[in-house]
Amino acid sequence: DTGVSQDPRHKITKRGQNVTFRCDPISEHNRLYWYRQTLGQGPEFLTYFQNEAQLEKSRLLSDRFSAERPKGSFSTLEIQRTEQGDSAMYLCASSLGVGPNTEAFFGQGTRLTVV
Amino acid sequence: KQEVTQIPAALSVPEGENLVLNCSFTDSAIYNLQWFRQDPGKGLTSLLLIQSSQREQTSGRLNASLDKSSGRSTLYIAASQPGDSATYLCAVRSYSGAGSYQLTFGKGTKLSVIP
Repeated sequence: DTGVSQDPRHKITKRGQNVTFRCDPISEHNRLYWYRQTLGQGPEFLTYFQNEAQLEKSRLLSDRFSAERPKGSFSTLEIQRTEQGDSAMYLCASSLGVGPNTEAFFGQGTRLTVV
Repeated sequence: KQEVTQIPAALSVPEGENLVLNCSFTDSAIYNLQWFRQDPGKGLTSLLLIQSSQREQTSGRLNASLDKSSGRSTLYIAASQPGDSATYLCAVRSYSGAGSYQLTFGKGTKLSVIP
C-alpha cells in the first residue's frame, strides 16, 4: 500500500476556470476527508465521506465547491469559477473505522495557485 | 467550538538539544489527539496518536503526553537532529455534530535544528 495519493501535486489556473483534484485513499479505508490549508495556518476541514456518502460539509465549502466519492473508492474535489482566494494546499486524508477513535493518514496535497 | 493553540510558533535550537512543543485545546471532550509533521510544501505525516484514555505515546526519539482535563499536550523530541526541521502540527478529534468527529488543527510550530 502506497498511502494516500493525490493528483495533481501542483495546479496553476486562471481566475474563473474550473479545476478538479483527485484523491485515492489507502485501500479499504472507508472514510475520506478533504482539508484546505493556507500559508501559515493549520488545515481546515472541508468535507467528509463515509464510503460513498458525503456526511458533513463545512461552511467553508461554498456552492462553487463540490466533492464526490463514487463507489466509495477515490474522491474528486471540483472548484468552479476559481477565485484568487481559493489559492491554497488541498489535502486529502483517509481513515479506517466507524467510531471516533481512528487515525487519519494524509496525502501529499495539491497546491493550487489561482492567477 | 474547539480551538487549538500551539506555542511557540517557531523554535530554533542547536543540534543535540532536547525540546518540547506545546499544544492546548479549549474543549476537553476529545476522542484522540494526533501530532503531525509537515515539511515545506508537503503533506502531513502522522507521528503519534494518543487516545483520550491514554497519557502518553512514544515512538523512537518522540514522546507525546496528553492531559485531557487541562486541555494540554506536549511533544518531546530528544537529541534533536537537523532532519527534524519541519513544522509540527497538533490536531484533536472531537464531536462536530450530526454523528461526525472531525480533526481541529493548530497553526503549528516551525522547528529549525541548527547543525
